[in-house]
Order: sequence, then C-alpha cells, then structure tokens
Amino acid sequence: DAGVIQSPRHEVTEMGQEVTLRCKPISGHDYLFWYRQTMMRGLELLIYFNNNVPIDDSGMPEDRFSAKMPNASFSTLKIQPSEPRDSAVYFCASSRNTEAFFGQGTRLTVV
Amino acid sequence: KNQVEQSPQSLIILEGKNCTLQCNYTVSPFSNLRWYKQDTGRGPVSLTIMTFSENTKSNGRYTATLDADTKQSSLHITASQLSDSASYICVVTPFSGGYNKLIFGAGTRLAVHP
Repeated sequence: DAGVIQSPRHEVTEMGQEVTLRCKPISGHDYLFWYRQTMMRGLELLIYFNNNVPIDDSGMPEDRFSAKMPNASFSTLKIQPSEPRDSAVYFCASSRNTEAFFGQGTRLTVV
Repeated sequence: KNQVEQSPQSLIILEGKNCTLQCNYTVSPFSNLRWYKQDTGRGPVSLTIMTFSENTKSNGRYTATLDADTKQSSLHITASQLSDSASYICVVTPFSGGYNKLIFGAGTRLAVHP
C-alpha cells in the first residue's frame, strides 16, 4: 500500500478564497483523522470519521471549516473563506486499530 | 498546563553519540503511550507503543521506557545517525478515551551533526 495520500502537498492562496484539501486513507482502515500542525500549538485534532461517519468535530475551529468522507477511500477538508491564521500543515491519518498512519501533509499558506 | 511535556525542546548531538529524550505526563489513567518520529516536511511515523503495563519497548536503535509510577517516559537513541535528525513526539491516550483523546506533546527537535 502507498500509505495515506494527501494532495496537494503545498497550497498558497489568497485570503477569502476557498481551499480544499484531499486525503486517500490506507485501504481497509476504518478510522480517518484530520489534524492541523503549527509551531505554536503542535498537532491538533480537527475531526475524525469512523466508517465514513463523522464522530467528533469538536476540534474544527469554526464554521469556515468543513469535512466530508463520501466513501471509504476519500475525504476532503474545506476552508471557506480562508484566512491568514489558517496557515499551517494539515495532516490526514488513518487507522484500523490502535496505530494511526499519517500522510505527508498539505502545507497551506494563506496570504 | 500541558498534560504531556517533553524535554529538551531541542537537542544537538554529534553522529555516533547516544541521547535520551524525556516525556512527563499527567494523563491518568492512560491506555498507551507512543513515540512518533516526524521528519521535516513529513507526517509523524510511529516508533514505539507501550501499554500502561509495559516498561520498555525497542525498535532497532530506539528504546522507549515507561515508568507509570512517576509518569515518565524516555526515548533513548543509540549510535545516532544523521537520519535521526527529526522531531520526536510523545503521545498519550487516556484510558477512557477514544481516538479523539490522543494528547500530543510539543515534541523534541533533534539535530545530529557529522
């Protein structure tokens, strides 16, 4: 398996624009997580899914953030409208039991 | 106060030397404790995982220890290599928590110089 695949690897966008981050989990994993990492706050869980169903989105900072998982092999994290403070590295991770496998992340810069 | 604290914040060592990274936690009870390695520009990769009843776990040159009484864990790297340069993150899962309860430390940034 190629592991968790995220796209794009880098994204630079202007404030106010919509940003969509994509994730393909490892086949057979039934948990999917979206994390955000910044120097100030480290890794923060935004939302996680179990069997494509959102279980806990309490980490989503505000209504500008939304996440979907239409099927077992794909998830998106959308920010609309984006703001400079959203600049961070966004990680997707998937799991089948106790260990989470992380993607390489999407570095988002909002100018 | 962060429930998982790591020290030092950063560390520089010479290639071939050993080093030890520390993790102190207040999470109690807890289910397991993991050490992750995160290379620059990459996602974290699991090195070791220990349940509350284990006190040591090795993965090649990496050895993690756990003292549940003092709520301390350490990650010892033997004969360091340049490729060990990375951030090392300690992660604790509370006993009653699900996946959403993972508590991350801020990490120790290790630089190995030739």
